[in-house]
Amino acid sequence: GENVEQHPSTLSVQEGDSAVIKCTYSDSASNYFPWYKQELGKGPQLIIDIRSNVGEKKDQRIAVTLNKTAKHFSLHITETQPEDSAVYFCAATAYSSASKIIFGSGTRLSIRP
Amino acid sequence: DADVTQTPRNRITKTGKRIMLECSQTKGHDRMYWYRQDPGLGLRLIYYSFDVKDINKGEISDGYSVSRQAQAKFSLSLESAIPNQTALYFCATSDLAEQFFGPGTRLTVL
Repeated sequence: GENVEQHPSTLSVQEGDSAVIKCTYSDSASNYFPWYKQELGKGPQLIIDIRSNVGEKKDQRIAVTLNKTAKHFSLHITETQPEDSAVYFCAATAYSSASKIIFGSGTRLSIRP
Repeated sequence: DADVTQTPRNRITKTGKRIMLECSQTKGHDRMYWYRQDPGLGLRLIYYSFDVKDINKGEISDGYSVSRQAQAKFSLSLESAIPNQTALYFCATSDLAEQFFGPGTRLTVL
């Protein structure tokens, strides 16, 4: 069945450095790839998304890249700050039928002061 | 006020008890979802509903049931709770693709 693999499961970076989280998906019909951030005690919240008609999207310190041929997409956070510490989930779905959005298993990002 | 609310936020119960988790949303979305979160397993879909008359099973529906009482309300029931249903449960709504999550219910089954 459809599957989204996410790596690494945990990531610790020095404040100010960059963090990269990678995901692969299996369903060729997927064309929408959101990233969610989950802070402690809260539900996941969308931080950025990308559709398959573009290869990269940037919003301030975060960016997402997509390689549709290889079925890979990645989240890049630059100039990390303490408030970036959270669990991040990638996901994949077909935008026109959002019934089964498949989530990755999550990455716990810790920012060291 | 929060767009998606869940009650209760925490619940401890015993094996065999019936439990209901409730979700309400003020976003006016037709689509609602119930997910379960376990450490290292991400978010797994239990049930989803595209409108009041539409209910669909997700990947892990066994042992759970749902009721869509109105566009704004979607409840999850565990008819006879078992310890491996101990988890964090999230309700979500969506318009098209972006999902809006509630704060979660932490359920412990002893």
